[in-house]
Amino acid sequence: GAVVSQHPSRVICKSGTSVKIECRSLDFQATTMFWYRQFPKQSLMLMATSNEGSKATYEQGVEKDKFLINHASLTLSTLTVTSAHPEDSSFYICSAPGDRGDYEQYFGPGTRLTVT
Amino acid sequence: GDSVTQMEGPVTLSEEAFLTINCTYTATGYPSLFWYVQYPGEGLQLLLKATKADDKGSNKGFEATYRKETTSFHLEKGSVQVSDSAVYFCALMDSSYKLIFGSGTRLLVRP
Repeated sequence: GAVVSQHPSRVICKSGTSVKIECRSLDFQATTMFWYRQFPKQSLMLMATSNEGSKATYEQGVEKDKFLINHASLTLSTLTVTSAHPEDSSFYICSAPGDRGDYEQYFGPGTRLTVT
Repeated sequence: GDSVTQMEGPVTLSEEAFLTINCTYTATGYPSLFWYVQYPGEGLQLLLKATKADDKGSNKGFEATYRKETTSFHLEKGSVQVSDSAVYFCALMDSSYKLIFGSGTRLLVRP
């Protein structure tokens, strides 16, 4: 089946630093990937749509300069949290639609970011 | 815009009890509907889906039927187990293939 991986699974960083999170489709190609943010005990909030070879599309209220997204290849999208602050601490999840034509999305296991 | 509303939790049940988690949606057209499950400390897993009206999705004893007339996709299971304790998310896929999630319902099953 389609597998999506994320790296790292957990990261702790200091305020003011930047953190990169990778999302990979392991056995299929994904021209589109989605990035979500999940607050504790809350639902997933779509942050942006990552498009291979073009700019990401951000949802309303999401800072483009804060959350940099790069879709470098058909199997890799990265989310960089720039100048991180404690309020950026959250669970970040990516997903990618499968390539079987059923538009089912496959989710990565998530990355827990803690900014101290 | 499109939205999903699901019952607030937590839902606490004894083992072997019947489970219903209500989910209703608002959407233009006829979106595909999904239930995802998130076990503690893990990512989301697709539980079941339905792509058109009257379809019934089922998996691991869970079922949900796509009801166009009531715009609902309620999740049911006849006999829950402790291992079913998790957070359940109802979702729809909009016309641009984005998933829109409900707020999630935490289920706690006690032995």
